Amino acid sequence: GAVVSQHPSWVICKSGTSVKIECRSLDFQATTMFWYRQFPKQSLMLMATSNEGSKATYEQGVEKDKFLINHASLTLSTLTVTSAHPEDSSFYICSATSAYSYNEQFFGPGTRLTVL
Amino acid sequence: DAKTTQPPSMDCAEGRAANLPCNHSTISGNEYVYWYRQIHSQGPQYIIHGLKNNETNEMASLIITEDRKSSTLILPHATLRDTAVYYCIVKPLGPNNQGGKLIFGQGTELSVKP
Repeated sequence: GAVVSQHPSWVICKSGTSVKIECRSLDFQATTMFWYRQFPKQSLMLMATSNEGSKATYEQGVEKDKFLINHASLTLSTLTVTSAHPEDSSFYICSATSAYSYNEQFFGPGTRLTVL
Repeated sequence: DAKTTQPPSMDCAEGRAANLPCNHSTISGNEYVYWYRQIHSQGPQYIIHGLKNNETNEMASLIITEDRKSSTLILPHATLRDTAVYYCIVKPLGPNNQGGKLIFGQGTELSVKP
């Protein structure tokens, strides 16, 4: 199956700093990428949907100015958590679909963010 | 909100079949049933999907009732590595953004025991 990678796999940062998480499709062109957040013992919550070259569509309640999403190429999307605070500590997961397999999402391994 | 209901947890003996139920009584005619699983601290993994016919692949079988209001995921010979949270999701088939969105419920935490 198609492979999606995330970098970094984990990151620790100080409160107030910004953190960028990368999501890459390694062997296919990802026309659409999705970003999820997962708190401990909870399910995945969809944050936003991004199409290559377009602005991301955010789910209700997700602050677009705090969670900046860029999908500048068909193989890369980035999520930047701006001015991170301890409550932003979470497991961030991306997924991707292609024009040829839009009915199957391929998930990355996730990025564990800890804000001190 | 998720459109499916699943039992929060289940146990299964290693080597035995694991049958995971899912209720989706409000499913629409254009919505498929998808199953994903998430092993602890990893990204979700696609398992199988179907519309109304039973489906089988190398990982599992999916049995959908005739009225499509419920389904069962079957892992024929569960192993310890199948311990994970299993999510049943309904979504329409299609290339647009709405078709692509996966809304995760709470899932079923399956524990396979030796």
